[in-house]
Amino acid sequence: DTGVSQDPRHKITKRGQNVTFRCDPISEHNRLYWYRQTLGQGPEFLTYFQNEAQLEKSRLLSDRFSAERPKGSFSTLEIQRTEQGDSAMYLCASSRGGFTLETQYFGPGTRLLVL
Amino acid sequence: AQSVTQLGSHVSVSEGALVLLRCNYSSSVPPYLFWYVQYPNQGLQLLLKYTSAATLVKGINGFEAEFKKSETSFHLTKPSAHMSDAAEYFCAVSVNTGTASKLTFGTGTRLQVTL
Repeated sequence: DTGVSQDPRHKITKRGQNVTFRCDPISEHNRLYWYRQTLGQGPEFLTYFQNEAQLEKSRLLSDRFSAERPKGSFSTLEIQRTEQGDSAMYLCASSRGGFTLETQYFGPGTRLLVL
Repeated sequence: AQSVTQLGSHVSVSEGALVLLRCNYSSSVPPYLFWYVQYPNQGLQLLLKYTSAATLVKGINGFEAEFKKSETSFHLTKPSAHMSDAAEYFCAVSVNTGTASKLTFGTGTRLQVTL
């Protein structure tokens, strides 16, 4: 069990640029979640996958955001035409879904700064 | 919809003193409750979780929490604070809909431990 990994750990970009983040979940976990955490706040749910299917998206996920999980393994989160308000920590979590109480294990996060 | 409220955005205790971090929840169905800890520039680490099996839950690093339905509370305690406990603590609630168990977090409590 190597834990959830995220890449990159930090990203600085200029407004209007596109960015892509990657998340590698714990290998046997079928559920993968994305959260966003702004300064001084708790993480907020963005979207989640069960295997390769994206089953739920938050209203926070504007049309500039897209997430994929091809083949039900790693996931990518892309933000197009970044805005300064996108600056945040993006957290990925994975779990073994299907149990009454699942525990989500979080990665270290990707901190995005939009200038 | 479910939510959690963490009273006190900052708590300061002396090393060796009791730690008490407060969390109240709101949920229309029996909730699953979690406490996570976040160290600077890191992801979230699970401290403990309430599964309805026992109202007093013991977690890692000497922390425990008690579920009180009558008070809708799930406060986190530790008998004796250590300098290494300084971090941000998040209470979270989850409702398993069968297809997702997304977490709803509180705004966090930053714990400072002084000599």
